[in-house]
Order: sequence, then C-alpha cells, then structure tokens
Amino acid sequence: ELKVEQNPLFLSMQEGKNYTIYCNYSTTSDRLYWYRQDPGKSLESLFVLLSNGAVKQEGRLMASLDTKARLSTLHITAAVHDLSATYFCAADSLDSWGKFQFGAGTQVVVTP
Amino acid sequence: GAGVSQTPSNKVTEKGKYVELRCDPISGHTALYWYRQSLGQGPEFLIYFQGTGAADDSGLPNDRFFAVRPEGSVSTLKIQRTERGDSAVYLCASSLTPDNEQFFGPGTRLTVL
Repeated sequence: ELKVEQNPLFLSMQEGKNYTIYCNYSTTSDRLYWYRQDPGKSLESLFVLLSNGAVKQEGRLMASLDTKARLSTLHITAAVHDLSATYFCAADSLDSWGKFQFGAGTQVVVTP
Repeated sequence: GAGVSQTPSNKVTEKGKYVELRCDPISGHTALYWYRQSLGQGPEFLIYFQGTGAADDSGLPNDRFFAVRPEGSVSTLKIQRTERGDSAVYLCASSLTPDNEQFFGPGTRLTVL
C-alpha cells in the first residue's frame, strides 16, 4: 500500500526567509502532485511532477522530484504572508493510476 | 471555463438518515473521483470512475457508501444510515484521463448530528 509522509506538519515562517517541505512516498511512482488549500476552501493544484529530476517553479515556489530517493521537495523562497496555507503532496502508484494518496499536509503560517 | 461543482455546499442530517451528494465534473473529463477529508487531515480516497463504471472503489469504508455515474458525467455519492463518524468534507475531483492532473471541487461539508 502506498504511503505518503510529509514533514514538517507545521511550519512557522518569517517573511523573507527560505524554507523546504519534504514529501516521501513508499512505492514506485513517477508522479507527484502538490496542492495548496486555504482554510475552508478546496484544493488548488500547484505542480505536477511526472519524471525523475523534474523541477517546476511558479513565483516563490519550486518543486522537485527524485524518484530514486522517493522524495519530492517544495521550496519556498523569501516567504510572504500570501503563502500562508496548508500544502499537500499526493502520489499514485503504477498499478493504480488516479487513486491519489495524500500526505497529512503541512500547515504554513508566515509572519512578519 | 467552469470547474468542478458540488451540491449542496453544506448538509446537516440526523444519525440514521440517508444523504446524497452531487458532483458535476469539468466537461469532457472522463475520470471522476470522490475523496473524504476530515478536519486537519489530507483527503482520503473513496472511489474513482472511468466513464460510467467504478474503476476502483477500494476506499469506500463500508456498504453504507455507494456512488453512481450513470451517464459518465454527473456523479452522486450516496450514504445510507449515516453515522456521526461520517461527518467530514466530501471532495470531488475530475481529470481528463486517469493519468492526468485532478481538479477539485469546493466540497460538501456533511455534518451528522
């Protein structure tokens, strides 16, 4: 059974500083997804990583995938208040495409 | 264009009652998914449809839960004899094909009293 673990589960960020969220998964998968969720809202797709070594960037967020290490990272550069949200990673496995297994989420709070 | 829509946005019911939750996917998306999210947790997979058929229903917690997608578009999640533990946000997502990015709807918050 595919397991996805995120850490940390809570991250207090200072504006202007850099941080990383880690996502480990347990079985062979070449695909990893990152979502953002604001309180009381649904999930917004951030990144889709489809191959080993994939790197994608959008604004202050950058995500990468290392399928050999079964690890994805979400890097936040120069955090700003607007990035406060909960971030989830999700993976599916080769024998069950579409059946996403989500991590527990990382709650990010950015303060001045 | 229109995203995934779900109705109702909130549903309050009493223990033992039957409820139906509706999902309208993005037009043209063949795959549709149901997830359940409890407070402070990540979404938990329930079932996914490819077209009209349930391709994987391994996440349905028990036989009180059932879902249909009779015409390959709108889907209904049905919960019989609701229990307080069923209280959660039920999320629907759709994707062009099963190996594509999933787009989520706003969710239905179900509260069982």
